[in-house]
Amino acid sequence: GAGVSQSPSNKVTEKGKDVELRCDPISGHTALYWYRQSLGQGLEFLIYFQGNSAPDKSGLPSDRFSAERTGGSVSTLTIQRTQQEDSAVYLCASSLPTSGRLTYEQYFGPGTRLTVT
Amino acid sequence: QQQVKQSPQSLIVQKGGISIINCAYENTAFDYFPWYQQFPGKGPALLIAIRPDVSEKKEGRFTISFNKSAKQFSLHIMDSQPGDSATYFCAATNSGGYQKVTFGTGTKLQVIP
Repeated sequence: GAGVSQSPSNKVTEKGKDVELRCDPISGHTALYWYRQSLGQGLEFLIYFQGNSAPDKSGLPSDRFSAERTGGSVSTLTIQRTQQEDSAVYLCASSLPTSGRLTYEQYFGPGTRLTVT
Repeated sequence: QQQVKQSPQSLIVQKGGISIINCAYENTAFDYFPWYQQFPGKGPALLIAIRPDVSEKKEGRFTISFNKSAKQFSLHIMDSQPGDSATYFCAATNSGGYQKVTFGTGTKLQVIP
């Protein structure tokens, strides 16, 4: 079946411009995550959506970052007034909802490589 | 307290050798420890995972060793192959809540023929 897809795969933008990154999760996965991966760094948690619950935005680095998830499916990560330090690979992952002690695998998309010039 | 420390940052192993990557955590509430494998241009993919009620888990050439008292766990890749060359991330989460996974900083493994 289809995995997690992300678009665009690469994005080059000028400093100060806004960008939108899209994530299409696996059908039926109600949990959706955004991560940022800087060169040589680990995965930095940004935001988590679970069904109709309020998202966990605790990982967003500044108020220039926002994300929404429409209809419990597609998600868009928006970065306003981009800065050079925003350059990174932005990864989206989805999973089945947690249930008690069951821990479900997160399935990652291929990422969007953002370059801010 | 949410950190997961991973070492080494990079590793070069000869084909057929054993690759060992180590991780340490601080949060005793963590109860699920997955390892992810990432190839260039791809997203990470789950490789193997362990819970702290067992000290070792083996899947093929991949083994996780877990030391609960030391709050450490490690990945061993036996008979390493060039196709294993990738970046490996350890991670930890508390399955009691939703899965906010804390990742290590990654180890870039190169297996040379």
